[in-house]
Amino acid sequence: KAGVTQTPRYLIKTRGQQVTLSCSPISGHRSVSWYQQTPGQGLQFLFEYFSETQRNKGNFPGRFSGRQFSNSRSEMNVSTLELGDSALYLCASKSDNEQFFGPGTRLTVL
Amino acid sequence: GENVEQHPSTLSVQEGDSAVIKCTYSDSASNYFPWYKQELGKRPQLIIDIRSNVGEKKDQRIAVTLNKTAKHFSLHITETQPEDSAVYFCAASIKSTLTFGKGTMLLVSP
Repeated sequence: KAGVTQTPRYLIKTRGQQVTLSCSPISGHRSVSWYQQTPGQGLQFLFEYFSETQRNKGNFPGRFSGRQFSNSRSEMNVSTLELGDSALYLCASKSDNEQFFGPGTRLTVL
Repeated sequence: GENVEQHPSTLSVQEGDSAVIKCTYSDSASNYFPWYKQELGKRPQLIIDIRSNVGEKKDQRIAVTLNKTAKHFSLHITETQPEDSAVYFCAASIKSTLTFGKGTMLLVSP
């Protein structure tokens, strides 16, 4: 089976812009979670989608949003980018309890 | 919400020694405890996990123990090798949401 894929791998934006990141889970997996990884805060949960519905949400402002499509692919969107949004954004595809991470999207906000 | 503490933050060992990383969690409802290894510039990879109905699990040189009463779980790596050098993250899961520890940087010297 192909692993979790994320696009794009790298992204440079300026403050105030918005960005959309994409994640394709492992075939057959219906759950996708998103995490933000930074050196200071570590890995922090953003949200989880299952069968096109947001099932859980972390403690992030409303500028962070997501959605899931009928083929289980997921997107996350960050609006009005701030410098502090610079991070590695990881999505994880879940089967039972096990979560498998994609390679991440490295977002740099200038 | 759940809080996971991980110690030590850095760990240096000689090749062939054992390494132990410890985590504590706060919410007794957590029922799944995975460990991830993240090499520089790569995605976190699941290396072993344990469920709350099991006290110990072993996979070759890696073992994990869980003490539900004390809300502690630990990763044990025996006969360490230079390729074990990486950042290790513990996590605790409630309702499929993972809360991660801050990570332990393990350095194995030849």
